[in-house]
Amino acid sequence: QQQVKQSPQSLIVQKGGISIINCAYENTAFDYFPWYQQFPGKGPALLIAIRPDVSEKKEGRFTISFNKSAKQFSLHIMDSQPGDSATYFCAASMKLEGGKLIFGQGTELSVKP
Amino acid sequence: DSGVTQTPKHLITATGQRVTLRCSPRSGDLSVYWYQQSLDQGLQFLIQYYNGEERAKGNILERFSAQQFPDLHSELNLSSLELGDSALYFCASSVSGLVGDTIYFGEGSWLTVV
Repeated sequence: QQQVKQSPQSLIVQKGGISIINCAYENTAFDYFPWYQQFPGKGPALLIAIRPDVSEKKEGRFTISFNKSAKQFSLHIMDSQPGDSATYFCAASMKLEGGKLIFGQGTELSVKP
Repeated sequence: DSGVTQTPKHLITATGQRVTLRCSPRSGDLSVYWYQQSLDQGLQFLIQYYNGEERAKGNILERFSAQQFPDLHSELNLSSLELGDSALYFCASSVSGLVGDTIYFGEGSWLTVV
């Protein structure tokens, strides 16, 4: 299975709150899991990424939590800001298929002031 | 600015026509990817090239073709266009085309088929 399933489809969070976006995958051959952020009119841009040998990775306000046994990973945005309002995509790729990314369906995040 | 350049930014064309989308990768990147983004299908991988050779193929229609030239720029050709081909087409690039590379996306080419 090549799919990556992402939820929720949309999310509204108050400024200062925590935004949580979840993804699940089936193919255990996936070995790289990035999150991309996309603003309207722009291309997706890498936000943070994790390998399956690590359970958590933090960069500033952004944290990926990875559960290998459950085949799930999530993005946590702490102290969410209006400037974080964007569409977020989880993705996965595997060595056998080079660098190509399989993307989740995306989550539209809106942070209210 | 990701450093990936795509032209044209917007394109309106009629059904049955053929268009070419062009991409210049980031300086130093040898691998180019093409993705299609639409509301119903999300971000779909089309095809990947590395240093002129096709490396991976996704759900690319037979009416679509691509190539990467010796100067590393790439073109995506879309022919016999249908209304359903209306989408945002992204080109992306990375250094080696291997898993774990940071993949940088351009700003996309908006294609509208009328």
